Amino acid sequence: GQNIDQPTEMTATEGAIVQINCTYQTSGFNGLFWYQQHAGEAPTFLSYNVLDGLEEKGRFSSFLSRSKGYSYLLLKELQMKDSASYLCAVKGISNFGNEKLTFGTGTRLTIIP
Amino acid sequence: AAGVIQSPRHLIKEKRETATLKCYPIPRHDTVYWYQQGPGQDPQFLISFYEKMQSDKGSIPDRFSAQQFSDYHSELNMSSLELGDSALYFCASSTLAGALEQYFGPGTRLTVT
Repeated sequence: GQNIDQPTEMTATEGAIVQINCTYQTSGFNGLFWYQQHAGEAPTFLSYNVLDGLEEKGRFSSFLSRSKGYSYLLLKELQMKDSASYLCAVKGISNFGNEKLTFGTGTRLTIIP
Repeated sequence: AAGVIQSPRHLIKEKRETATLKCYPIPRHDTVYWYQQGPGQDPQFLISFYEKMQSDKGSIPDRFSAQQFSDYHSELNMSSLELGDSALYFCASSTLAGALEQYFGPGTRLTVT
C-alpha cells in the first residue's frame, strides 16, 4: 500500500518562498506528482518527478529523493493566488504505466500580505 | 486546448435514489480514472479504465459501477445512495502515448439528502 504524509497547514507571506514537504512509503513507485487545488475546484497538475533531483518550472520547483522517500515543492515569489491546497500524489507501478494516483492529505497554504 | 468534461456539474439526490455521472476525457486519451473527494479530504481513487477495460479498482462500493464506452467516455453509476456519498467526484484522463500526468475534470458535486 501507500502512505503519504504532508503538513496539514502552512502560512507564508506574499513575495516570500515556501517549501512544502512530502514523505511517502510505498509498495511500488513510478513517480511523484504535485497538484494544486483551490477549494471546490479540480486538482491542477504542477510537477512530476520520477528521478532524483530538482525539477524547475517557473516559480515552482519540485525535488525528489527516492532513497529517502521524500519530496518537496518549492514556491517562490509567492502571490495571493497561490493560497490553495497542495497535494502530493504517488503513482504506483502497472504493466502499462497508467497506474492510479494515491494522494496525500494535502497541505492548505495561506498567503498573507 | 480541450479539457476533461464532466456532467452534470451539480446533482442533488435523495437517499436510496440512483445517479449517473458522465466523463468525457481529453481527445486521444486512453485511460480514465474516477476519484471521490469528501469535504476536507484528499481524492480517493475509485476505479480506472484503459482502452475500455477496467484497469484498476480502488475503494469503490459495490453499489457503484462504471464503464468506458467505445468513444472513450465513461459513466459512473451509483445506486442506493447514502448520505455519505455526498462528495465531489472527479474524473481524470491520461494517455500512455504522451505525458504521464492525469488531467482532472471540473468535478461533479453530488449532494444526497
